Amino acid sequence: NAGVTQTPKFQVLKTGQSMTLQCAQDMNHNSMYWYRQDPGMGLRLIYYSASEGTTDKGEVPNGYNVSRLNKREFSLRLESAAPSQTSVYFCASSPRTSGSFYTGELFFGEGSRLTVL
Amino acid sequence: KNQVEQSPQSLIILEGKNCTLQCNYTVSPFSNLRWYKQDTGRGPVSLTIMTFSENTKSNGRYTATLDADTKQSSLHITASQLSDSASYICVVRMNTGFQKLVFGTGTRLLVSP
Repeated sequence: NAGVTQTPKFQVLKTGQSMTLQCAQDMNHNSMYWYRQDPGMGLRLIYYSASEGTTDKGEVPNGYNVSRLNKREFSLRLESAAPSQTSVYFCASSPRTSGSFYTGELFFGEGSRLTVL
Repeated sequence: KNQVEQSPQSLIILEGKNCTLQCNYTVSPFSNLRWYKQDTGRGPVSLTIMTFSENTKSNGRYTATLDADTKQSSLHITASQLSDSASYICVVRMNTGFQKLVFGTGTRLLVSP
């Protein structure tokens, strides 16, 4: 029961470098999300994909791009990393994003800790 | 503004003792409130969910309460164990078409032997 798997777990980048965070889920969920977690702040939504083939911006999308490769995989790309993007990134999934029978539970990966120097 | 505030920010208790974590919210329209536990270096995991009509719900040694009138929730941990050391995050879901979630900043609990 892998659940949500993120890679890499740790990464150090120099300012201006690019990288992609990978995320895969094996729960047959329709919806996937990318959050960032910073000290003293709640989790903030970067991008989400309500279903395969769709992506939408969250609260803090600037500097990021995403790709919903298929139903299982959702990647986050930093095109030109900045020190402000130093954070812990969490991928999450849920069966759907709305509906009477959906209670809003998210299933999180273990996180990817990114440091931009 | 839709906000979720948690207190205290951090807490140290002795193993075996009880503690209560607080969550106040100003989110509207309200759908439900969920408590997550986040172990160090791991992702958050749901502990319990409270809907508008629920006042109290228990999950083992964890008991959550909700007062929808005052917009307050608490998470009570009984007979704490070392494994309870973690951050506890309160999340309120808005009753909108899309799943809009408002996250608290969490309470970091350390259970000391």
